[in-house]
Amino acid sequence: DAGVIQSPRHEVTEMGQEVTLRCKPISGHDYLFWYRQTMMRGLELLIYFNNNVPIDDSGMPEDRFSAKMPNASFSTLKIQPSEPRDSAVYFCASSLGTSGRAETQYFGPGTRLLVL
Amino acid sequence: AQSVAQPEDQVKVAEGNPLTVKCTYSVSGNPYLFWYVQYPNRGLQFLLKYITGDNLVKGSYGFEAEFNKSQTSFHLKKPSALVSDSALYFCAVAPRSGGYQKVTFGTGTKLQVIP
Repeated sequence: DAGVIQSPRHEVTEMGQEVTLRCKPISGHDYLFWYRQTMMRGLELLIYFNNNVPIDDSGMPEDRFSAKMPNASFSTLKIQPSEPRDSAVYFCASSLGTSGRAETQYFGPGTRLLVL
Repeated sequence: AQSVAQPEDQVKVAEGNPLTVKCTYSVSGNPYLFWYVQYPNRGLQFLLKYITGDNLVKGSYGFEAEFNKSQTSFHLKKPSALVSDSALYFCAVAPRSGGYQKVTFGTGTKLQVIP
């Protein structure tokens, strides 16, 4: 398997623009996670899905952020409008969840977002 | 709410010396515990995890960690450090009930192994 795939790898945009980050989880994994990593706040869980259904979005910073998972092989994280403080590395991760316990998460390479 | 503390932002050790990266946690009930490593410009990679059973967990690349329930700690160790071990290390915790997939990560410890 190719692992978790994220696109784009780098994104530079101007304040106020819409940004869409994409993720393809590992085939067969039924959990998908979106994280944000910054120097100041470390690694934060934004939202996670189980079988395409959002389970916990309490980490989503505000209404400007939204995430969808229309099918088992694709998820998006959208920021509209973007602000400079959204600049960060955004990671997608996936895991199996059939064992009834916390499982190893497999991370993508991340999308480095810079909002000017 | 669960939390993880990694008290050292940075750890420096000489190559060939033993290394320890510290982690303490707070969670309701017994935890699931993980260590991940992040190399520059890469995503996190799994090193090892504690689920149940033996308190000493062995993982990838010669790393191991010991679960200490009384001290609520899960320190990462390696008997002999390599320069290639230099990276950012994250400890993580998840509860055993309700939302057990919701893993909380520590702030990370930068390990520098000096040749």
